This record gives sequence, C-alpha cells and structure tokens, in this order.
Amino acid sequence: QVQLQESGPGLVKPSQTLSLTCTVSGGSISSGTYYWSWIRQPAGKGLEWIGRMFTSGSTNYNPSLKSRVTISLDTSKNQFSLKLSSVTAADTAVYYCARSSEYSTYYFEYWGQGTLVTVSS
Amino acid sequence: QSALTQPASVSGSPGQSITISCTGTSSDVGSYSLVSWYQLHPGKAPKLMIYEDNRRPSGVSKRFSGSKSGNTASLTISGLQAEDEADYYCCSYAGSYSWVFGGGTKLTVL
Repeated sequence: QVQLQESGPGLVKPSQTLSLTCTVSGGSISSGTYYWSWIRQPAGKGLEWIGRMFTSGSTNYNPSLKSRVTISLDTSKNQFSLKLSSVTAADTAVYYCARSSEYSTYYFEYWGQGTLVTVSS
Repeated sequence: QSALTQPASVSGSPGQSITISCTGTSSDVGSYSLVSWYQLHPGKAPKLMIYEDNRRPSGVSKRFSGSKSGNTASLTISGLQAEDEADYYCCSYAGSYSWVFGGGTKLTVL
C-alpha cells in the first residue's frame, strides 16, 4: 500500500519561499506511470490543485500559481517537493501531496495526511 | 477557473440517504466524464470515494454512488452511518491539464 507523508516548516515569513517534501513509501516514485501532485486547503476554504509532475519530469501547474510554483522529484530519496515563492498570508493552508491512479491520471488515488503551513512574520 | 459549487452543509439521520451536488460549467464538469469525490476526516488522509463520475474504487462501500447530469455532478450516500460524517469535495478535470475542486460540503449525521 502506497503511503505519502508531507514534511517541512510550519511557519514561513512573507515574501520567502515555502518548501515542502512528500516522502513516498510502499513503492518507487520512479516506477509506473504516475503523476505526483500538490493540493492545498486554505482555512475555511475548499481544496485547490497546485500542480503535478510525471515520473519523466514533465510538469503541469495551476495557471493562477504557475509563476511561483516549482515541483521536482528526488528519486534517490523517493521524494517529491514543492517550492512556492514570494508567499503571502493567502498562501497559509494545509498542503497535501497526492498520487494519481495507475490506470488514469485524472484523479488522485492516494493522499498524505496534510501539513499546515502558516505565512506570518 | 472558478471553484465548483457545493452546498456548505447537508445532514441526515442514520439509515437515510443524502445527496451532495456539485455544479460546474460546460468547460469542466459538463465537458468531461472525470468528476471525482473525496472524503476528508480531520487529521486523516483524504480518501477517494468516486472517480470518472460514477465509478467506485475497490474497498469503498456500495452505499456511495455518483452521477452526473449536464454541468452538475452528485454524490449520494445511502444508509447513512455515523462514520460517514466528514467533509466531501468534488473535483473535475478542467482541460489543459488542470483540475478544479468544489468548496466542500460538511456532512452531519444527526
């Protein structure tokens, strides 16, 4: 059973870069035809898809965040990462990592438990 | 991309059925058979409940079903149980390799 676990600083200062890591267990991040995604949920609001990366390295990003987002894979550590630059209070949210299904890239089959990131000075 | 529209809350008694609606546009929900539904319990990993509008993953109770008509998708839970109390989110592929979620619905089992 695949498991995902987010980690990273819980507090980031405004204008800085938010950096999170998702550690994958129960399977290799470089095998199969999976997309690895980041999704967030601001307090009291709905979920927002941030972006995704294929095992080949190709990426797709939410147009509203594209200029500030970078997603990357570290196959040696079986991890993938999110970097969000120039953060503001509006980026305060619970951040989730997720993996697509083996059979379809259009939904999120496995998720991490989420990690809260607060943007504040 | 605008968020899909869901009711903020729904409620039902044990054993009853409830339906959560998810309204999008002809650019997302109405264009693709790619609506999925997720169950969120506090502190737990979100769980996929329905994919491709009406398909149920292995291990998900048959009490959960999905449907769609035009730009509106629906999640129906029959035979409500206490453990169904959670937040539910719909999600649709929105074209150009992007996804849009709903605002979420809090289900209360009375």
